[in-house]
Amino acid sequence: DAGVIQSPRHEVTEMGQEVTLRCKPISGHNSLFWYRQTMMRGLELLIYFNNNVPIDDSGMPEDRFSAKMPNASFSTLKIQPSEPRDSAVYFCASTRTGHNTEAFFGQGTRLTVV
Amino acid sequence: DQQVKQNSPSLSVQEGRISILNCDYTNSMFDYFLWYKKYPAEGPTFLISISSIKDKNEDGRFTVFLNKSAKHLSLHIVPSQPGDSAVYFCAASGRTSYDKVIFGPGTSLSVIP
Repeated sequence: DAGVIQSPRHEVTEMGQEVTLRCKPISGHNSLFWYRQTMMRGLELLIYFNNNVPIDDSGMPEDRFSAKMPNASFSTLKIQPSEPRDSAVYFCASTRTGHNTEAFFGQGTRLTVV
Repeated sequence: DQQVKQNSPSLSVQEGRISILNCDYTNSMFDYFLWYKKYPAEGPTFLISISSIKDKNEDGRFTVFLNKSAKHLSLHIVPSQPGDSAVYFCAASGRTSYDKVIFGPGTSLSVIP
């Protein structure tokens, strides 16, 4: 298995632009998580899907952030408009339903907003 | 309001000695605890876990201890190796399948040869 695949690995964009991060979870995994890692706050959970349905989006910082999971093999995290304070590493992780513990992470997308 | 705390941002240990990484939590509903390890430019990878019904779980050089009354857990690495140098995240979750996993801020471990 190729593991959780995220794209792009790096993204540099100008303030105000729309940014879309992509994630392909491990086949057979029913739960998908988006995390953001910053120096100050460590790993923050942004949103969590189960069977493609958003279960908890309380970690999404603002309305500028949105996430979708149109099918079991694809999810996006969109920031519109982007701001410099959104600069961070964004991780996607997946796990099987009933196994809310051992999550498998992608390699992350390093976002820089200038 | 951090529910999972790792109060030591960094730790340096001599190769061959014991590394002890600490973690405290505030939510008494947490039922399952995990440690993840992260190398630079990679995603975190699962290392070891412990259920609240246990107070110790061991896997090779790694042992996790849980003190529920103190809401404290620790990860022991014995003996420490240079390849153990990484950021270690403590995480906690409730008992249901839909409970989300909450991560601490991480501790950066450096094992000095």
